[in-house]
Amino acid sequence: NAGVTQTPKFRILKIGQSMTLQCAQDMNHNYMYWYRQDPGMGLKLIYYSVGAGITDKGEVPNGYNVSRSTTEDFPLRLELAAPSQTSVYFCASSYSIGGAGELFFGEGSRLTVL
Amino acid sequence: GDSVTQMEGPVTLSEEAFLTINCTYTATGYPSLFWYVQYPGEGLQLLLKATKADDKGSNKGFEATYRKETTSFHLEKGSVQVSDSAVYFCALKGGFNKFYFGSGTKLNVKP
Repeated sequence: NAGVTQTPKFRILKIGQSMTLQCAQDMNHNYMYWYRQDPGMGLKLIYYSVGAGITDKGEVPNGYNVSRSTTEDFPLRLELAAPSQTSVYFCASSYSIGGAGELFFGEGSRLTVL
Repeated sequence: GDSVTQMEGPVTLSEEAFLTINCTYTATGYPSLFWYVQYPGEGLQLLLKATKADDKGSNKGFEATYRKETTSFHLEKGSVQVSDSAVYFCALKGGFNKFYFGSGTKLNVKP
């Protein structure tokens, strides 16, 4: 049972570099999300998607981009990395059956921007 | 807008003590409510959930009751163990399947 898989688990970037965090789920969930978790803080929603080809901004989208070409994959692109993007990033997915569908999380990607 | 407020930590308890972590929410409509747990170095895992008023979610000795009149979903456990040490997050699912999280409460249980 793979669930939600994120890669890489760790990455160090220099200021101004770009990278893509990969996320894949094998549960056929229509909803997918990207969150960031800063030390001692809760989770902030970056972007989410309600299905292939449909994405929308969350609370903190600046400096990030996403795409959703398939149901399974939801990559997060960081352009021109800044120290403020140092964080742990979590991808998650969910199904929607009334109110019952919960979030399933990946193990996280720890990003440091120096 | 929708939001979740939970008690700040850290909370430090001795083994077998009673645990309460307070959580209140603001939401339009009738959200589903969740508690997630995060162990060190891991992602978040669902602990329990409730989808309507007066529902009680329970798992691994933890319980929480969806109280619409007080907009609360407090987490309780009668006797904590060292293995319960983790960060606990309260969350709600609002419109458009968007989830909102509290800031997390770190629990330390001492033997």
